[in-house]
Amino acid sequence: QVQLVQSGSELKKPGASVKVSCKASGYTFTDHAMNWVRQAPGQGLEWMGWINTNTGIPRYGQGFTGRFVISLDTSVSTAYLQISSRKAEDTAVYYCARGSGPTGTRGDYWGQGTLVTVSS
Amino acid sequence: QSVLTQPPSASGTPGQRVTISCSGSSSNIGKNTFHWYQQLPGTAPRLLIYNNYQRPSGVPDRFSGSKSGTSASLAISGLQSEDEADYYCGAWDDSLNGQVFGTGTKVTVL
Repeated sequence: QVQLVQSGSELKKPGASVKVSCKASGYTFTDHAMNWVRQAPGQGLEWMGWINTNTGIPRYGQGFTGRFVISLDTSVSTAYLQISSRKAEDTAVYYCARGSGPTGTRGDYWGQGTLVTVSS
Repeated sequence: QSVLTQPPSASGTPGQRVTISCSGSSSNIGKNTFHWYQQLPGTAPRLLIYNNYQRPSGVPDRFSGSKSGTSASLAISGLQSEDEADYYCGAWDDSLNGQVFGTGTKVTVL
C-alpha cells in the first residue's frame, strides 16, 4: 500500500535551517509528483509547491520562493523540504502529498505531517 | 490567503444532509477540476472527492461533489458522528499558476 513517512518534529531557533524528509513506498516513486503543503496552528492549508520526480525540477507557489527548497533523492524514494533563515511565522505542520500523476498537484496520499516550531 | 471561499462552519444531526459550498472564479473552479479533502481532528488531510465528483476507493457514497459555474459543493448525506471534521476544497488556479485551497469548513454533528 502507498505510504508516505515523514521525519519527526523539529524545534529550532530563528535563523537556523531545517530539512524535512518524506519517504515514499508502495508505488513507483518517479510515476508521481510530490507536493508540499503548510498548515499553521489553527489555520487552513497552503500549497507550497511540487517537484517533478522524473526531472527533479521544482515549482513553488506564491510566497514560497527564496527560503524554501524542494528536492529529492530518487535512489531512496525520498523528497525533501528545506526551510532556510527560519522565522517565527514558519511554525507549522508541513505535509508531503503524492501528486495524482507525474505533474499532479492534487494530493491523493498524504504523509503524517511534521511539526516545525521556530522559537528562541 | 485563500482564493476559494467556504463557510466557516456547518452542522447537522445524525442522518441529515449537509452541504458545503466553495466559491471560486473563472481562473480556478470555473476552468479546472476541483477536489475535496477531509481532515479529521489531529490527522493529515485525506482526499475525499477528485475531478469534481469522483470518489477514491474506500470513500462512502454518502459523499458527493457537484459544480455550478465557478462554485463547487460537497454534500454529505446520512450524516454520521465520524464525519465531524474540517473540509477543504482545492483546485488549480491558472492566474496564480498554483494549487489553491479553500478557507475550510468545520462540520459538527449535533
